[in-house]
Amino acid sequence: ELKVEQNPLFLSMQEGKNYTIYCNYSTTSDRLYWYRQDPGKSLESLFVLLSNGAVKQEGRLMASLDTKARLSTLHITAAVHDLSATYFCAVEVGTSGSRLTFGEGTQLTVNP
Amino acid sequence: DAGVTQSPTHLIKTRGQQVTLRCSPKSGHDTVSWYQQALGQGPQFIFQYYEEEERQRGNFPDRFSGHQFPNYSSELNVNALLLGDSALYLCASSLVAGGLRAHFGPGTRLTVT
Repeated sequence: ELKVEQNPLFLSMQEGKNYTIYCNYSTTSDRLYWYRQDPGKSLESLFVLLSNGAVKQEGRLMASLDTKARLSTLHITAAVHDLSATYFCAVEVGTSGSRLTFGEGTQLTVNP
Repeated sequence: DAGVTQSPTHLIKTRGQQVTLRCSPKSGHDTVSWYQQALGQGPQFIFQYYEEEERQRGNFPDRFSGHQFPNYSSELNVNALLLGDSALYLCASSLVAGGLRAHFGPGTRLTVT
């Protein structure tokens, strides 16, 4: 059974600081996704990572994938309050559009 | 271009009742997946429909059933509701023949009392 683990589960940080969220998964994956979720809202797609060594950046967020280590990271640079949300990684095995297995989520709070 | 839509937005039901949730996929998508997200947890895959058939199923009891219509829209039915079925139910649509990512709808918040 595929397992996806994120850490930390809760992260409180100050504005301007850097931090990394980790996502480990237990079996070979075809695609890895990062999503953002605001309270009471749906999932917003941030990144999709397809191959070993893939790196994607959007604003203050950068995601990377190491398929050999079965590890993805989401790095936050110079955090701002607007980044406060819950971040999920999700792994997809098989053809595109297959089921996603999600991690537990990392609840990020950025304090002024 | 309309994205994924779901109805209703919120729903309150009593234990033992039955509920039907609805989803219309993003224009051009042919596959619909349903997820259950309990409070404070990540979404859990329920099942996926393609060509009006259930193609994949997660670890959910038979009380959870679904349907896909010729226009690709889908319904999720839950019978004999339990308190533990209270959750946000998310629908995601995708395209089997390509397209890298699923698009999620706004969700239906189900509360079972």
